Amino acid sequence: SQKIEQNSEALNIQEGKTATLTCNYTNYSPAYLQWYRQDPGRGPVFLLLIRENEKEKRKERLKVTFDTTLKQSLFHITASQPADSATYLCAPQGGANNLFFGTGTRLTVIP
Amino acid sequence: ETGVTQTPRHLVMGMTNKKSLKCEQHLGHNAMYWYKQSAKKPLELMFVYSLEERVENNSVPSRFSPECPNSSHLFLHLHTLQPEDSALYLCASSQEVGDYNEQFFGPGTRLTVL
Repeated sequence: SQKIEQNSEALNIQEGKTATLTCNYTNYSPAYLQWYRQDPGRGPVFLLLIRENEKEKRKERLKVTFDTTLKQSLFHITASQPADSATYLCAPQGGANNLFFGTGTRLTVIP
Repeated sequence: ETGVTQTPRHLVMGMTNKKSLKCEQHLGHNAMYWYKQSAKKPLELMFVYSLEERVENNSVPSRFSPECPNSSHLFLHLHTLQPEDSALYLCASSQEVGDYNEQFFGPGTRLTVL
């Protein structure tokens, strides 16, 4: 069965550094992958979508890569700020109607 | 109001109670979803509706009963729940089901079953 792994449950980095979060998936080949941000007590918020034929996608300080050979997506936040502290969820396409979500990585940016 | 709203935000119920969760989206979307989020677990998709028709039901126990009277409203009726059903229940909507559609989530209902 399909499996989504976000390698780090928690990640602490210093303000100004680049945060890199990893998402690995196994046993299937999603056509696209989404990343969401979730703050405590709130629902997830969509950040970026990347398709299987796209190697990289950028939005302001965010960058996502999608390596279909490695079955991996990397999510980068450059020049990180304390306001970036949140849980980040990887969500590869599931079936025709859904997404599979990872358990998330809780990022803390230390001032 | 804009976006996706959910009521109540918090709910405590006994195992013999019957209650309902409500979700409303103001985005003109055609698809709506119920998810369950438990600590240390990934979001679990429960139900998917497209234009008021249920298109997915992921082996959810019958004590959870969804209802979608129109494309803007979604309910989750609860009865005879178990303590392990305590979780954050999230509603989401998207323009359509499937391909490349980002999902917009509500704030969730924090459910505690005693």
